[in-house]
Amino acid sequence: DIQMTQSPSSLSASVGDRVTITCRASQGIRNDLAWYQQKPGKAPIRLIYVASSLQSGVPSRFSGSGSGTEFTLTITSLQPEDSATYYCLQHNSYPFTFGPGTKVGIK
Amino acid sequence: QVHLVQSGAEVKKPGASVRVSCKASGYTFTTYSITWLRQAPGQGLEWMGWITTYNSNTNYAQKFQGRVTMTTDTSTSTVYMELRSLTSADTAVYYCARSAKWGSPDYWGQGTLVTVSS
Repeated sequence: DIQMTQSPSSLSASVGDRVTITCRASQGIRNDLAWYQQKPGKAPIRLIYVASSLQSGVPSRFSGSGSGTEFTLTITSLQPEDSATYYCLQHNSYPFTFGPGTKVGIK
Repeated sequence: QVHLVQSGAEVKKPGASVRVSCKASGYTFTTYSITWLRQAPGQGLEWMGWITTYNSNTNYAQKFQGRVTMTTDTSTSTVYMELRSLTSADTAVYYCARSAKWGSPDYWGQGTLVTVSS
């Protein structure tokens, strides 16, 4: 199975800050990676697909980049409603696997 | 608009089986697969497998092989996931989600809490 790691595991930042989350795959996955946002008690929402494509309806402050084994999710200007846990998902080979999550809080 | 509506919460005893349904609307049902995922309390997300709705091909995570069955009813645009031989480790919120083949899930159901307790 492909192992996914994320860093940091949690962070706290101020409104307006630039936030970057990193996801690494244990082997190359081309650009077969998505990013999800999950708030407590809610289903995840897809933010980014195929590493860098913005899901329709998602604010443009979210962006994704990377290919192969290293990927990043960037929030250019953190907003209060961005407080959530963020997960990456590889869908290159079975079983599809998620990173352990990054909890983003607001200072 | 795309909607996936799941069946309600379940409480089961160890050794029992559970069947969760997922009714799709707002798109052509047979043009997308349905993926099942779960999330144990306070834990991360786990991919269980998917079913192609136009021909019922399935791909299950090895962890669940022999214990899970996914089926589809195209007449009602509903997909079912049955999990057998439940243990307390199966206590989780179970989600269905729409996905293109080999793609990442885009729209998700609201989740179904399955509690396994004696």
